[in-house]
Amino acid sequence: SQTIHQWPATLVQPVGSPLSLECTVEGTSNPNLYWYRQAAGRGLQLLFYSVGIGQISSEVPQNLSASRPQDRQFILSSKKLLLSDSGFYLCAWSRGTMGEQYFGPGTRLTVT
Amino acid sequence: QKEVEQNSGPLSVPEGAIASLNCTYSDRVSQSFFWYRQYSGKSPELIMSIYSNGDKEDGRFTAQLNKASQYVSLLIRDSQPSDSATYLCAVNYRGGQNFVFGPGTRLSVLP
Repeated sequence: SQTIHQWPATLVQPVGSPLSLECTVEGTSNPNLYWYRQAAGRGLQLLFYSVGIGQISSEVPQNLSASRPQDRQFILSSKKLLLSDSGFYLCAWSRGTMGEQYFGPGTRLTVT
Repeated sequence: QKEVEQNSGPLSVPEGAIASLNCTYSDRVSQSFFWYRQYSGKSPELIMSIYSNGDKEDGRFTAQLNKASQYVSLLIRDSQPSDSATYLCAVNYRGGQNFVFGPGTRLSVLP
């Protein structure tokens, strides 16, 4: 069976500090990978989407970036965090582009 | 702009009743539809997917899709307090980057 991991689970960072969130998927190969953000009381916002190693599509212009150095690894980064970057960051995977997406446990980020 | 709309709730139903959750979407070429359950502080969990018009049943859950009316619903029979959560409707328009979530409906099942 497939498993998706995210870490850390929670993070408190000061404004202007860097960020690195990691997501890995087990039990499948060549998954589509996604990063979402959910602000408090809000819906899910797609940030980045990847269909393969080194292939990243950005949905929203911002100070965040994503990378996919390995088939089942997806990393979300920032060089300088803003207060508005606070939220619940979710990684998801899917088999193909039309099917179900499955979410990891998420990282709750608070920027102070 | 692709949109998925849901009533934010809260929707309150007594234990044992049927909960009915509704979702409308804006793009007629949408191809796949999903319902997720999200408990407070947790990540969304897939509970149902539906791809063609009609009903799809899985245990106490039934998803209903009407593409002509651009409408998808989720029925929860014999609602339990453990069903209390936010239910997210998601629509896949034409591929992974076109996977759009609604804002969610908060369901409260009262004992």
